[in-house]
Amino acid sequence: KAGVTQTPRYLIKTRGQQVTLSCSPISGHRSVSWYQQTPGQGLQFLFEYFSETQRNKGNFPGRFSGRQFSNSRSEMNVSTLELGDSALYLCASSPPLRNTEAFFGQGTRLTVV
Amino acid sequence: AQSVTQPDIHITVSEGASLELRCNYSYGATPYLFWYVQSPGQGLQLLLKYFSGDTLVQGIKGFEAEFKRSQSSFNLRKPSVHWSDAAEYFCAGANDYKLSFGAGTTVTVRA
Repeated sequence: KAGVTQTPRYLIKTRGQQVTLSCSPISGHRSVSWYQQTPGQGLQFLFEYFSETQRNKGNFPGRFSGRQFSNSRSEMNVSTLELGDSALYLCASSPPLRNTEAFFGQGTRLTVV
Repeated sequence: AQSVTQPDIHITVSEGASLELRCNYSYGATPYLFWYVQSPGQGLQLLLKYFSGDTLVQGIKGFEAEFKRSQSSFNLRKPSVHWSDAAEYFCAGANDYKLSFGAGTTVTVRA
């Protein structure tokens, strides 16, 4: 079974630009969640989607948004990039059960310059 | 607030020695707890999980964890560490479709 696939693996963007990250979950998983990892703040939850509906959202500004498609693939978007948005963005997919384990992709390393 | 805490930022252990990583949780009646491992520049790999039942859970790579409700702890152990176990380890709890992670413990293995 293929794992969680995130594209691209690396990105370099300029302040003020926007970026879109993509995540393909494990086949059969309908829940997709996103996390931001930075050295200072650690791993922080961004949002979670199930069947194209956002069920939970972390404490991030509105510049961070996401969506899920009917095939469970998900994208997250960050608009008006700031230097502080430089981070490893991790996507995870889960089986359709509440509070079950999450399987993570390799992440997208975003650098904002 | 529901959370997990990892008191140790960094641990150094000799190859072949035992390892124990601490995790304390603050959750409700039925905590859903996990341990993940992350190698540099990589994603998180699930080592083991605890939902209910037997308080000693076995995971991959020879790891095990013990859930102790009386101490609000979910410590990770490995009897004999290999150099390939050098990585960062995260304890996490699940609630409302999200994971809350501890700050992580970096494990260094010396020869």
